[in-house]
Amino acid sequence: DIQMTQSPSTLSASVGDRVTITCRASQTIHSWLAWYQQKPGKAPHLLIYKASTIESGVPSRFSGSGSGTEFTLTISSLQPDDFATYYCQQYSSYPYSFGQGTKLESK
Amino acid sequence: QVQLVESGGGVVQPGGSLRLSCAASGFAFSSRAMHWVRQAPGKGLEWLAFIRSDGSRQYYANSVTGRFTISRDNSKNTLYLQMTTLRAEDTALYYCAKCGTTPYVDSWGRGTLVTVSS
Repeated sequence: DIQMTQSPSTLSASVGDRVTITCRASQTIHSWLAWYQQKPGKAPHLLIYKASTIESGVPSRFSGSGSGTEFTLTISSLQPDDFATYYCQQYSSYPYSFGQGTKLESK
Repeated sequence: QVQLVESGGGVVQPGGSLRLSCAASGFAFSSRAMHWVRQAPGKGLEWLAFIRSDGSRQYYANSVTGRFTISRDNSKNTLYLQMTTLRAEDTALYYCAKCGTTPYVDSWGRGTLVTVSS
């Protein structure tokens, strides 16, 4: 089974900061990776799929990169609405798996 | 627009069974693969099960293999999750999720809460 590890688990940042979250897979997943944002009490929301393709309607300050086993989600200029928990997910092979999440909090 | 509405959650005793349903609308349900994903209170997301658009293949997480069964009725635009031999650690919010063009999730329901407790 493929294990997904996100870092950091918690990230403190300020509005306007450039923020990067890393997701590592225990074996290659090529580019079959998605990123989701979840706010408290809400369902997750798709941001990025196929490692770097931004979902329609998602602000352009979000971007994804990587392939193989190492991936990043970058927010170019943090906005107040971006404080949330972020998850990566591999859909390269079953069982599909999520990272443990990265909580982005206000510094 | 896409709507996914889960139902069937509730309180069940350890060892019991429950069937969750997900009513889908706003898209061609029979053309999309689907997932179930859960989230225990205060914890992260856990992928549970996947079913192809025609129902021909299903895949499961190790934690639920042999206990949970994903199925669908394309004539009713409904996804199901039959859960048996429930354990306390199955307590979670269960989400129905629609696949995009490949098996990432592009739409989520609001979830239905399952509590396993005596």
